[in-house]
Amino acid sequence: DGGITQSPKYLFRKEGQNVTLSCEQNLNHDAMYWYRQDPGQGLRLIYYSQIVNDFQKGDIAEGYSVSREKKESFPLTVTSAQKNPTAFYLCASSISTGAGNTIYFGEGSWLTVV
Amino acid sequence: RKEVEQDPGPFNVPEGATVAFNCTYSNSASQSFFWYRQDCRKEPKLLMSVYSSGNEDGRFTAQLNRASQYISLLIRDSKLSDSATYLCVVMLFSGGYNKLIFGAGTRLAVHP
Repeated sequence: DGGITQSPKYLFRKEGQNVTLSCEQNLNHDAMYWYRQDPGQGLRLIYYSQIVNDFQKGDIAEGYSVSREKKESFPLTVTSAQKNPTAFYLCASSISTGAGNTIYFGEGSWLTVV
Repeated sequence: RKEVEQDPGPFNVPEGATVAFNCTYSNSASQSFFWYRQDCRKEPKLLMSVYSSGNEDGRFTAQLNRASQYISLLIRDSKLSDSATYLCVVMLFSGGYNKLIFGAGTRLAVHP
């Protein structure tokens, strides 16, 4: 079955550590996204990529980094510079970033800083 | 003012009730509109797109009023399985790509 796979589903991090969240899709989608969701708030865009080897900052990119070396993979690194990283992280993809293209989400990763 | 605003709820309704969700958006250049459903601790899933002419999918009806910058979702004959958070989503072209802006969601709890 085609879909988006995120791992790990749950992750605990000590303060000062970098962690990387994996996102893989086999939908042959060009566009991929990372969102963050906090309780009682809407999803906020961290980074997006429209094509391999290219990515752009979203609204809250500070303290995060990404890479897009392969079409199917878009890992997100939460660095120690991110001051409040505890959140629900969602990876998504769509055929392109053009209008009307449905965006599909992975099951999400819960990151907790301890 | 938030770009997309929704009543946070929760809306507690009995089975069989009709419930309406409202959403307003601030940017008149917004192009596309959607309702997503999100279950507790799960990812959002597309419920339906919203068109100017209004559209219906079974018990769900979505409407858009561009003049008032207002979107609605009506659920008829509520089921227990409709309990979830409903996210209003707006798409507009910004910064070189079509950007999705999510509302914070309205929580619905349907009880027996």
